[in-house]
Amino acid sequence: AQSVTQLGSHVSVSEGALVLLRCNYSSSVPPYLFWYVQYPNQGLQLLLKYTTGATLVKGINGFEAEFKKSETSFHLTKPSAHMSDAAEYFCALMEYGNKLVFGAGTILRVKS
Amino acid sequence: DTAVSQTPKYLVTQMGNDKSIKCEQNLGHDTMYWYKQDSKKFLKIMFSYNNKELIINETVPNRFSPKSPDKAHLNLHINSLELGDSAVYFCASSMTGVAYEQYFGPGTRLTVT
Repeated sequence: AQSVTQLGSHVSVSEGALVLLRCNYSSSVPPYLFWYVQYPNQGLQLLLKYTTGATLVKGINGFEAEFKKSETSFHLTKPSAHMSDAAEYFCALMEYGNKLVFGAGTILRVKS
Repeated sequence: DTAVSQTPKYLVTQMGNDKSIKCEQNLGHDTMYWYKQDSKKFLKIMFSYNNKELIINETVPNRFSPKSPDKAHLNLHINSLELGDSAVYFCASSMTGVAYEQYFGPGTRLTVT
C-alpha cells in the first residue's frame, strides 16, 4: 500500500528564516504528489503538485518542492518565512481513482 | 462565487440521530469526494463519485450513505450517529483524469454528544 510520512508534527521557524517541511512517500508506481495548506478552521488549499517532468515544482506563496526519486522524498521549502505562513501543511500521494492519501500533517509556527 | 460549498458549517447533534451534510461545486467538475478529518487532523477519504456513480468506498460503516443527485452535488447522510463520528467532514471535487488537483470545501464540523 502506498503511504506518506511527514517528519515532524510541529516545525517552528523565525520570520525570514528558511522553511523546510519534510515528506517521504512509499509507492510501487511513479507517484503523483501534492502539498496542501490548511489555515485554522478552513478547508485545504493546494500549494503545488508534482506529476511528471521537472522535479522542482513551484507553487503559490513562494513555496516550492523537489521530487527526489532516489530518496522517495518531496520536501516543501520556502526561502523566507512570513507570519502568514503559519498553518498546517499536508503532503499527499494520489492513488488509483484519484484517491488522495495524506500524511499526518505538519504544523508550522512562525515566530516574530 | 464559492467553488465548493458545504452546509452546514457546524452540526451538533445527539447520539442516535440521523443527519445530512450537503455539498455543491460550481467548477464544472465531474468527480466529487468526501474526506473525514479526525481529532488528530488525520485526513482519510471516505467516498468518491464520478458522474453520479460511486467509484471509491473506503470501508466506511454503512450508516454513512452518500447520494449524488447530479454531478454538481454530493450529499452525505449519516444514520444512528455515534460519538466516534465526531470529526470535520470535507467535500472536494476534481475533473476525471490522472493527477487533477482536488478542490476542497470549507468543511463541516460534526459534534455528536
